[in-house]
Amino acid sequence: DTEVTQTPKHLVMGMTNKKSLKCEQHMGHRAMYWYKQKAKKPPELMFVYSYEKLSINESVPSRFSPECPNSSLLNLHLHALQPEDSALYLCASSQDRGANYGYTFGSGTRLTVV
Amino acid sequence: GQNIDQPTEMTATEGAIVQINCTYQTSGFNGLFWYQQHAGEAPTFLSYNVLDGLEEKGRFSSFLSRSKGYSYLLLKELQMKDSASYLCAVRDSNYQLIWGAGTKLIIKP
Repeated sequence: DTEVTQTPKHLVMGMTNKKSLKCEQHMGHRAMYWYKQKAKKPPELMFVYSYEKLSINESVPSRFSPECPNSSLLNLHLHALQPEDSALYLCASSQDRGANYGYTFGSGTRLTVV
Repeated sequence: GQNIDQPTEMTATEGAIVQINCTYQTSGFNGLFWYQQHAGEAPTFLSYNVLDGLEEKGRFSSFLSRSKGYSYLLLKELQMKDSASYLCAVRDSNYQLIWGAGTKLIIKP
C-alpha cells in the first residue's frame, strides 16, 4: 500500500458545525502533515506529527484541532469555522521528517464553509 | 526571510523540451523537491536533489547548484498530460518545507 487515504473527499459545513477530516497511511511512515491549500497557491503547513507527537503547529487557529491516535491515522477536527477556511486540506506522510524522498500526499478534502 | 522564486506561467509545445527554473534563499538547506500538481488534485512527488548536479528520471530531470541557490526541472518529449503546475520546495534547517508559488505549464499541440 503506497497511498495516503483521505476522507471525505468533499465536505460542506456550516459555521456552527463540528466535523472531522481523516487521513490514513499504511506505509510505516512516522511523520504526518496537514496542509491547507487555496486555489493557485502553494500548500501551507498547518501541523506536523513526528512519531505521533505534535512537533510543529504553524500558529493555526484553535478552531482546527489535530489528533494522531496512532502511527497510521491522523485526524483534523473542525469547529466554528469561517468562510475563509474554505480550501483544499491535504494530508501527507513521509518516512520521517528528514526523509530523502518526497512526501506522499493524499487526494485531499475539498472543504466549503457556508 | 525565506523566499523561493519560480516563473508564474510557461507555455511549451507538445514534443518539445521545457526548463522550469527555481531560485531560493532559505535558512539552511536540507534538500530540494519538485512536485507536479494537476488542477484540483494533490501534489505528486517528481524529484529530490540534495547534492549538486543532475538527477535524471525518465523524461524528467532536476538540477541543483547549492552555491547559486538554483535548481531547474527539465521536461523532455512533452505530452499534453504534462500540463500542470510544478512546485519547487526547499527543506530548511528545521526540516520544514518552504514552497514556491508554482509554475503553471501550458502545453500546446
